[in-house]
Amino acid sequence: GENVEQHPSTLSVQEGDSAVIKCTYSDSASNYFPWYKQELGKGPQLIIDIRSNVGEKKDQRIAVTLNKTAKHFSLHITETQPEDSAVYFCAASPVGNMLTFGGGTRLMVKP
Amino acid sequence: DSGVTQTPKHLITATGQRVTLRCSPRSGDLSVYWYQQSLDQGLQFLIQYYNGEERAKGNILERFSAQQFPDLHSELNLSSLELGDSALYFCASSGWGANYGYTFGSGTRLTVV
Repeated sequence: GENVEQHPSTLSVQEGDSAVIKCTYSDSASNYFPWYKQELGKGPQLIIDIRSNVGEKKDQRIAVTLNKTAKHFSLHITETQPEDSAVYFCAASPVGNMLTFGGGTRLMVKP
Repeated sequence: DSGVTQTPKHLITATGQRVTLRCSPRSGDLSVYWYQQSLDQGLQFLIQYYNGEERAKGNILERFSAQQFPDLHSELNLSSLELGDSALYFCASSGWGANYGYTFGSGTRLTVV
């Protein structure tokens, strides 16, 4: 089955700096890669996703890149703000299959 | 509001007891997934149902069981509760066919005392 590794487990940045979270996956059949943000006491919320026919996708200050050859994908957050502080999860799935989640990254943005 | 409804939001019970957590999926979603999240831990997959049938099992204890009813709502039953079962329990739902992201509910916080 699919295995997703996520790094780092914790990340502390200064407000205004960029943050990068990286994930690797094992199943070459995986073609869907979503990212979730979980704020304290809430359920994970989908913030951006990418499919294997696309190398990069942007949504305002958030971008995701995918390298199918190396089997890794990354989340980039620019101009971080205190409200970006949360736990972020990456995930991967082959067509029609279940998502496999990474272990999560706790992002702390210091004012 | 994500469209996935979980009840109750909080539950405090004693060891050895049995509880039922309820989840109503987003309208039109046929798949329901249950996850357990202990303090500062990741999302541990428990079980998936699709249109009333069990589709996949994760690390679900034998003391735990689930079902999905004809109206597509799902229940997770936890019995013979232990202190270590204290956690957040999330339900998520999704469509089928092409890949869809999951929509998570706000969770049930279970405290076993």
